[in-house]
Amino acid sequence: ETGVTQTPRHLVMGMTNKKSLKCEQHLGHNAMYWYKQSAKKPLELMFVYNFKEQTENNSVPSRFSPECPNSSHLFLHLHTLQPEDSALYLCASSQVSGTGNQPQHFGDGTRLSIL
Amino acid sequence: AQSVTQPDIHITVSEGASLELRCNYSYGATPYLFWYVQSPGQGLQLLLKYFSGDTLVQGIKGFEAEFKRSQSSFNLRKPSVHWSDAAEYFCAVGALRGSTGNQFYFGTGTSLTVIP
Repeated sequence: ETGVTQTPRHLVMGMTNKKSLKCEQHLGHNAMYWYKQSAKKPLELMFVYNFKEQTENNSVPSRFSPECPNSSHLFLHLHTLQPEDSALYLCASSQVSGTGNQPQHFGDGTRLSIL
Repeated sequence: AQSVTQPDIHITVSEGASLELRCNYSYGATPYLFWYVQSPGQGLQLLLKYFSGDTLVQGIKGFEAEFKRSQSSFNLRKPSVHWSDAAEYFCAVGALRGSTGNQFYFGTGTSLTVIP
């Protein structure tokens, strides 16, 4: 198995539910990312982890809670979401570099719908 | 500040016709430039990348892109489009973020429709 795998592919949840999105990469990378992709909007970077340490939180509401137990796994815990949180959530990974020239490799995303 | 502009929100071409998707960037240092493609229901797939050297880079699926520093552009081209090329295309600039890691600045994407 190679690449970046995200589960589940689709998730429907109510606003009071708690759920988690999972991302796993088999590329030996040491940086992982969460993005939100909404219709008609640019990709929004949510969180960045380098070597398991969170290095970026782009003012994401606390109802989204990331977790990175190791360099291969990344989770996004969801709690008390709002309808505007319905979107495609993409996970990506890359090698950390001293120049920023490493491409990011993406999973196929989790399509999240909030009822 | 770094930014990427894709002026064309949507483009329609006939199958077999040539294609050019525009990308302009704003970045103070040497840019690392990428093109990604996203098919419906899927994530982003890397088409090609430019770091340095030859300004014309070849990618997968028959795509190529040309870096023009004087115009701050990195346009994507394909000589003959296939119906399977219908997708969303994203241009991105890679930059060093802090002391580690990289951050991508993505354009808003260009949606490509291919008609028979």
